[in-house]
Amino acid sequence: ETGVTQSPTHLIKTRGQQVTLRCSSQSGHNTVSWYQQALGQGPQFIFQYYREEENGRGNFPPRFSGLQFPNYSSELNVNALELDDSALYLCASRGGGSYEQYFGPGTRLTVT
Amino acid sequence: QQQVKQSPQSLIVQKGGISIINCAYENTAFDYFPWYQQFPGKGPALLIAIRPDVSEKKEGRFTISFNKSAKQFSLHIMDSQPGDSATYFCAASYGGSQGNLIFGKGTKLSVKP
Repeated sequence: ETGVTQSPTHLIKTRGQQVTLRCSSQSGHNTVSWYQQALGQGPQFIFQYYREEENGRGNFPPRFSGLQFPNYSSELNVNALELDDSALYLCASRGGGSYEQYFGPGTRLTVT
Repeated sequence: QQQVKQSPQSLIVQKGGISIINCAYENTAFDYFPWYQQFPGKGPALLIAIRPDVSEKKEGRFTISFNKSAKQFSLHIMDSQPGDSATYFCAASYGGSQGNLIFGKGTKLSVKP
């Protein structure tokens, strides 16, 4: 088990609603990345936060946004939910100068 | 150029056999190549990783072989066990320790007893 935790484990939302997912990084890790994993696919990079600033973004629309807090925990916010947003959302953390990313268990989001 | 192509999509191996999963990439800027193992309902777990200045890395039953000129790398699982049955993802990143991971589509491994 990594020290990365995510909440909630599962949630169900309706199309058009907004959702906030939370991630606590492993102790001492100052970089948090978010990934979306559709069923049967590999994870896709959404964005990354380093010392509370976004420092990388994948091919996701602006309705995907995030925050990182001084304790390095992070939030992923998705507005105007679409059916295709149904996926496993993964958070990964790493320490300064390290290449190794450690994933949390994920949040399973279902949009109906 | 950003893709990582993984094969096969699925693999069945007998207990005690060798499992081999292959990945290919185009972007020569990639500087880190990890493999992740994922069980159903769980997040990916880092298994083993390699940098391009090394051609092979072994950790226990798991070995990465890296061919820089061919832009290919592979995972070998020796003495495969039923507990190894999972989905395996190769990935690659560039940009040093702040680079993001680009994943292959995964290989579902089943090890038969």
